[in-house]
Amino acid sequence: QSVLTQPPSVSGAPGQRVTLSCSGTSSNIGAGYDVHWYQQLPGTAPKLLIYGDTNRPSGVPARFSGSKSGTSASLTISGLQAEDEGDYYCQSFDTRLSGSDIFGGGTKLTVL
Amino acid sequence: EVQLVQSGAEVKEPGESLKISCKASGYRFVTHWIGWVRQMPGKGLEYMGIIFPGDSDTTYSPTFQGQVTMSADMSTSTATLQWTSLKASDTATYYCTRRGDKSKGMDVWGQGTTVTVSS
Repeated sequence: QSVLTQPPSVSGAPGQRVTLSCSGTSSNIGAGYDVHWYQQLPGTAPKLLIYGDTNRPSGVPARFSGSKSGTSASLTISGLQAEDEGDYYCQSFDTRLSGSDIFGGGTKLTVL
Repeated sequence: EVQLVQSGAEVKEPGESLKISCKASGYRFVTHWIGWVRQMPGKGLEYMGIIFPGDSDTTYSPTFQGQVTMSADMSTSTATLQWTSLKASDTATYYCTRRGDKSKGMDVWGQGTTVTVSS
């Protein structure tokens, strides 16, 4: 079981807005550590989507956005597209685990 | 272009040793951390640990401490992940990643190396 909790699956229709959640604790997200989001499309390596809670790397469309509040973080995808279907992972740092980075369990996004 | 290119797929028997590699190009190897991530078949991402090539400072996730060894060779800009005695449960795809400081995330990923351990 992952230290960061993500819903196993989320779905939405093309054009809709979906929000993926990442729930942590006071030893990781709640301690102020940055949250990063990765997208893994089928059969490919993960790709950095959001870093430092809210920042998009160059080339990532503006319809992807991140936020953080308290012990949780969220990834919002506006204007959902078919090519967004894949797995999404949040990542942060945890002080309890000998100071180690951690991933959430991942959310499978299905575009209906 | 910044790239991490990993070595090819491996098929091994339990008890064998293995070393897989990750060659960096397009940036100064010694200035960024290299992390390793495991993905078992059909499962999520697991953080294994990280190494700073500049001084070989290494931190392992508790799950992987003592199970694998990470190293880095500045002369060839190559990071390696090795096992001394593989188990069937080591069957997975392993990714190397580049990370600057903690606020930047893992911004470059290798293509992955699939390791199959079976008798």
